[in-house]
Amino acid sequence: AQKITQTQPGMFVQEKEAVTLDCTYDTSDPSYGLFWYKQPSSGEMIFLIYQGSYDQQNATEGRYSLNFQKARKSANLVISASQLGDSAMYFCAMREGAEAGNTGKLIFGQGTTLQVKP
Amino acid sequence: NAGVTQTPKFRVLKTGQSMTLLCAQDMNHEYMYWYRQDPGMGLRLIHYSVGEGTTAKGEVPDGYNVSRLKKQNFLLGLESAAPSQTSVYFCASSPDRTAHSNQPQHFGDGTRLSIL
Repeated sequence: AQKITQTQPGMFVQEKEAVTLDCTYDTSDPSYGLFWYKQPSSGEMIFLIYQGSYDQQNATEGRYSLNFQKARKSANLVISASQLGDSAMYFCAMREGAEAGNTGKLIFGQGTTLQVKP
Repeated sequence: NAGVTQTPKFRVLKTGQSMTLLCAQDMNHEYMYWYRQDPGMGLRLIHYSVGEGTTAKGEVPDGYNVSRLKKQNFLLGLESAAPSQTSVYFCASSPDRTAHSNQPQHFGDGTRLSIL
C-alpha cells in the first residue's frame, strides 16, 4: 500500500542552524512526485518544494532543499539557516502516477512539528 | 489573488444536523480535492473531482457527499453530522494530476468544524 512516514513528531533547532526533517515513502509505482508543505499555527498549507521520481538532481528552493535517496525511498527536507518564522508543522506528501490511476491525489505523512529556538 | 476560498471558516453543529462546505477556486483548475486533517494523522482524502460533473471517493468518504456542478466550485456535504466528523477540512485544487508534474495542489485556508 502507498504510504508516507514521518517518524519525528517534534523537532527543535537553534536559530540560524540547519535542520533535517525525515520522510520515507512506499510505492510500487515507478512514477511519483514528492512534495513538502508547511503549516504554520495560522493553519494554511504552504507549498515548499517538489521532487519528481525521475529527477536526477535534488530539488532546491531558496533555504529549502530535498535530500532524495531513491533506493532508500527517502525524501528528507533540509532547511538551512533556520529562522523563527520556520516554526510550523511540516508535511511530506506523495502524488502517485499511472498505476494509481493518475488521480493526482496526495498521500500525506503524519507531520513533524518544528520549533526554532532564538 | 483569491486562489482557493473555503466557506465558512468555522462552524459548530449538533449531531444529526446537515451542512455544506463550499470551495471556490479562480485559477481554472481542472482537479479539486477535499481532505480532512485530524491530530497525528496528517491529511486524508475524502472525495475528489477530475473535472466538472465528475466526483470520486477517496480514502475516508463515509458520511460525506460532494458535487461539482461548476468547474470552479466543489461542495462537500454532511447529511447527518456525527462527532467523529469533528475535524479541519481543506479543499485543494491543481492544474495537473500527473505524478511527474511539479504543479502542487493549492489549498484553501481550511474550515474548522465541531460536531457536538
